[in-house]
Amino acid sequence: DAGVIQSPRHEVTEMGQEVTLRCKPISGHDYLFWYRQTMMRGLELLIYFNNNVPIDDSGMPEDRFSAKMPNASFSTLKIQPSEPRDSAVYFCASSLLDHEQYFGPGTRLTVT
Amino acid sequence: QQPVQSPQAVILREGEDAVINCSSSKALYSVHWYRQKHGEAPVFLMILLKGGEQKGHEKISASFNEKKQQSSLYLTASQLSYSGTYFCGTSAGNNRKLIWGLGTSLAVNP
Repeated sequence: DAGVIQSPRHEVTEMGQEVTLRCKPISGHDYLFWYRQTMMRGLELLIYFNNNVPIDDSGMPEDRFSAKMPNASFSTLKIQPSEPRDSAVYFCASSLLDHEQYFGPGTRLTVT
Repeated sequence: QQPVQSPQAVILREGEDAVINCSSSKALYSVHWYRQKHGEAPVFLMILLKGGEQKGHEKISASFNEKKQQSSLYLTASQLSYSGTYFCGTSAGNNRKLIWGLGTSLAVNP
């Protein structure tokens, strides 16, 4: 299996622009997670889905962030408008019932 | 509340042992341990569930004290490949919402 796939791997954008991060989970996994990682705050869960349905989005920082999972093989995390404080590494992870989470390689986002 | 990991950093020589601790102020259902190498994604090591069930890595062990809301990760006879940052993620219920500690940086030198 190819593992969790994320794109782009790096994104540099200007403040105010819309940013869309993409994730393809491992085939057959029914949980999908979006995380943000910074030095100051560590790894933060933003939202997670089960069978394409959002279960907990309490970690989404504010209305500028939105996430969708239109089908079992694709999810997006959108930031609109982006701000410099959104700069971080964003990870997508997927899992089955056994709780082990498989992380993608991450997207390094820089907002200038 | 974010779990507290200790120590923040540790340096070992190859073959030495280390213990990394994770403490929570909340009652825990499960504790998850992951290792992240620089510039890479976190990789699963171990999960400990309330009631004693444990699944994980063959060369790394861990304990989970439910009453004290603490978990410890034991790295024995460390190898160079053990270097990285170790994170604990905790959940208060039987769900997938994990709250992560800030990590323990481990460096193993020859």
